[in-house]
Amino acid sequence: AQSVTQLDSQVPVFEEAPVELRCNYSSSVSVYLFWYVQYPNQGLQLLLKYLSGSTLVKGINGFEAEFNKSQTSFHLRKPSVHISDTAEYFCAVSPNSGGYQKVTFGTGTKLQVIP
Amino acid sequence: DTGVSQDPRHKITKRGQNVTFRCDPISEHNRLYWYRQTLGQGPEFLTYFQNEAQLEKSRLLSDRFSAERPKGSFSTLEIQRTEQGDSAMYLCASSLRLAGGRELYNEQFFGPGTRLTVL
Repeated sequence: AQSVTQLDSQVPVFEEAPVELRCNYSSSVSVYLFWYVQYPNQGLQLLLKYLSGSTLVKGINGFEAEFNKSQTSFHLRKPSVHISDTAEYFCAVSPNSGGYQKVTFGTGTKLQVIP
Repeated sequence: DTGVSQDPRHKITKRGQNVTFRCDPISEHNRLYWYRQTLGQGPEFLTYFQNEAQLEKSRLLSDRFSAERPKGSFSTLEIQRTEQGDSAMYLCASSLRLAGGRELYNEQFFGPGTRLTVL
């Protein structure tokens, strides 16, 4: 079984400042890792994913995340945020073994960008 | 086809009524998933289909819930005798499972969701 912990439920940050959203996971098997963004009253959109290879993953809208296996973390970063980045961000994990890959989501972090 | 669509977007019902939601996946996608998202939580897996076969159901899916995908295209999720605890956003997602070889990760594309309020 897998679990995902997003310790920060809300993160306020000023526009053009850097931001880091934290994600830690637990799993007994190797995993794929994801970050999704959800704007109000909308579904989820994939920001980026780690499947294998380079531990630094770049996604859409200038976001990137780094997979740290020893610390079981997959923190999301952006060097300079915009008002339009205000949304809720979900970290998720799934096993990378064969068969159906059930995705387990964290509880989300609300990013509030302050003008 | 621009993405996954869900209908209705919002549903308000009285406790004890039955409700049905529809999901239309991306046309070539053979896998379809239902999730439930309550306030302050991430999406929780309910069930998934490969083509018309329902292959896994979460224990969250009580006997009052039933999902179908009769022709392997659109899917419906029905909740019978709704309870206030059923109030949530119901999300649908779809993906394409490639045939043959090792199972590869397939990105799930999400619809906008149906927000259910049970009074």
